[in-house]
Amino acid sequence: AQSVTQLGSHVSVSEGALVLLRCNYSSSVPPYLFWYVQYPNQGLQLLLKYTTGATLVKGINGFEAEFKKSETSFHLTKPSAHMSDAAEYFCAVSERDFGNEKLTFGTGTRLTIIP
Amino acid sequence: DGGITQSPKYLFRKEGQNVTLSCEQNLNHDAMYWYRQDPGQGLRLIYYSQIVNDFQKGDIAEGYSVSREKKESFPLTVTSAQKNPTAFYLCASSIFRDRANVLTFGAGSRLTVL
Repeated sequence: AQSVTQLGSHVSVSEGALVLLRCNYSSSVPPYLFWYVQYPNQGLQLLLKYTTGATLVKGINGFEAEFKKSETSFHLTKPSAHMSDAAEYFCAVSERDFGNEKLTFGTGTRLTIIP
Repeated sequence: DGGITQSPKYLFRKEGQNVTLSCEQNLNHDAMYWYRQDPGQGLRLIYYSQIVNDFQKGDIAEGYSVSREKKESFPLTVTSAQKNPTAFYLCASSIFRDRANVLTFGAGSRLTVL
């Protein structure tokens, strides 16, 4: 069975500082990996996804993530935090099981930006 | 613009009452999903449907029911059997046969049971 662990339910960074949100996954088959962002009282929006190919994936709003199979990790980074990045971020995994493509979400990391 | 519409956005109900949350999409997506979100627990799958007139239980289906009579609509009923229904409910859809399974989410419905 697949699972996702997000390390740190709350992360605070200063405006302009590096953002690093950690995600480790468990999957019995090669996974698809995702990061979603949620602003208060809204649904989730896709930031980026990894399917195959290049392990460094670039997404919207300057975010990127690197798939590291040996570490079973898919950490999200952004070089310079902006106040508008304050939100909750969810890592998710989907197993490549055609006809059964269900996502499993992590418990989320709330990112706070300090002015 | 295409998207997912959930209604109502806020809903208050007395304990023991059934409530139905609406979810409509105009994205022509085959698959639709209902998730429940509680603080610190992430999103948990309640039910999903890959085609019309067919749906499967997710991880926490007890106390919930759904129907999928039309491709565009996937209403969720929270029944009186659901022991702790107060939560934020999210509907989502995706293109079936898209192995990357990218979900498009609605804005959510917040249910509070008094």
